[in-house]
Amino acid sequence: QSALTQPASVSGSPGQSITISCTGTSSDVGGYNYVSWYQQHPGKAPKLMIYEVSNRPSGVPDRFSGSKSGNTASLTISGLQAEDEADYYCSSYTSSSTKVFGGGTKLTVL
Amino acid sequence: QVQLVQSGAEVKKPGSSVKVSCKASGGTFSSYAISWVRQAPGQGLEWMGGIIPIFGTANYAQKFQGRVTITADESTSTAYMELSSLRSEDTAVYYCASPTPQDPRTGMVEPFDYWGQGTLVTVSS
Repeated sequence: QSALTQPASVSGSPGQSITISCTGTSSDVGGYNYVSWYQQHPGKAPKLMIYEVSNRPSGVPDRFSGSKSGNTASLTISGLQAEDEADYYCSSYTSSSTKVFGGGTKLTVL
Repeated sequence: QVQLVQSGAEVKKPGSSVKVSCKASGGTFSSYAISWVRQAPGQGLEWMGGIIPIFGTANYAQKFQGRVTITADESTSTAYMELSSLRSEDTAVYYCASPTPQDPRTGMVEPFDYWGQGTLVTVSS
């Protein structure tokens, strides 16, 4: 099972919007609506931001949204804030009854 | 309030094994689905495998098949991850993670709402 493909880095200015893509195959992202997104600040455990493609857990700002088209899922952050600067990882359930993560994307808020 | 508390840091020699524990509290342990995720220094997250204690069997990522064993002890609400034949590339922070404990039949598809604090395993001669 290969890791899902994410851009290594993205950046944006405060108030702007950014989108992070996550590309897999029909055996993972494309085959199931079990795509999640995690935010990780340095030295901290990951935090769930989006689950089942587009659902936000309680307490996650509505600036964070998710979507999927075919084998590619996307995380959009609107109204960027300084505290959004972190690493972001997508994850998907797979046809082998396993899970797989993306390689991670470093978000820089300029 | 779900909490996952992991055992402390380990330093191991190449070729040896390490066993990391993850004690769960809050909710019914039989409703948990616990996975192990590792992160090498400066690298991304890597799913290693997971177990649903009530069913007892574990699923493993192909990369770790034959080298990792994940078990659970319902009497102590603790999950374990044992990695053998350690090499320097196994130096990483190892996390246990779990969805909100609910229906174990869907545990493996659910997202990770809860994470342990991480255990640093250093493999060095």
